Amino acid sequence: DAGVTQSPTHLIKTRGQQVTLRCSPKSGHDTVSWYQQALGQGPQFIFQYYEEEERQRGNFPDRFSGHQFPNYSSELNVNALLLGDSALYLCASRRQGLETEAFFGQGTRLTVV
Amino acid sequence: RKEVEQDPGPFNVPEGATVAFNCTYSNSASQSFFWYRQDCRKEPKLLMSVYSSGNEDGRFTAQLNRASQYISLLIRDSKLSDSATYLCVVNKRGSQGNLIFGKGTKLSVKP
Repeated sequence: DAGVTQSPTHLIKTRGQQVTLRCSPKSGHDTVSWYQQALGQGPQFIFQYYEEEERQRGNFPDRFSGHQFPNYSSELNVNALLLGDSALYLCASRRQGLETEAFFGQGTRLTVV
Repeated sequence: RKEVEQDPGPFNVPEGATVAFNCTYSNSASQSFFWYRQDCRKEPKLLMSVYSSGNEDGRFTAQLNRASQYISLLIRDSKLSDSATYLCVVNKRGSQGNLIFGKGTKLSVKP
């Protein structure tokens, strides 16, 4: 049983560009959350998707957007990249209703230059 | 004030030592509590949930004091493989399972 998978694992982008990160949840999971982890910090919640809709959002600007597909996979899009967007982006999945059991993917390390 | 605060660390301890991590949370609506472990450049992994009655898993003991809004993790007989960053995590009531992480405390166990 594959766990949460994210792609790509590493990415280098130039300031001002746009990026799309992808996540496939663990089998049986229908809810996907995205987190940003800057160096030396704990992960910060960006947003959560369930039934193809954004259900909750953290304190992130509109440059951060997402999508969930009918197969429960998800994308995170970041527009107009800033140097400060450089971070590890983590996807976590769970089954709706099981609020305490979240599994993380290995993350995508984004570097903005 | 951050919602979840942890000891700044780093903690450098010899093998076999006992080490304790502390964490405080500010929101009384927090309902679920966890310790996650994160190895360098890897994803966080659940180490253990924390219950009001306290719970133990081998060398690891977690405690929760709701009145003081305080969480602790005790590691006994430290192993080299315990070297990692330990993240204190809470989940607020009504947050639909989204997790609030502390900054983490780095532990290095030396031979």
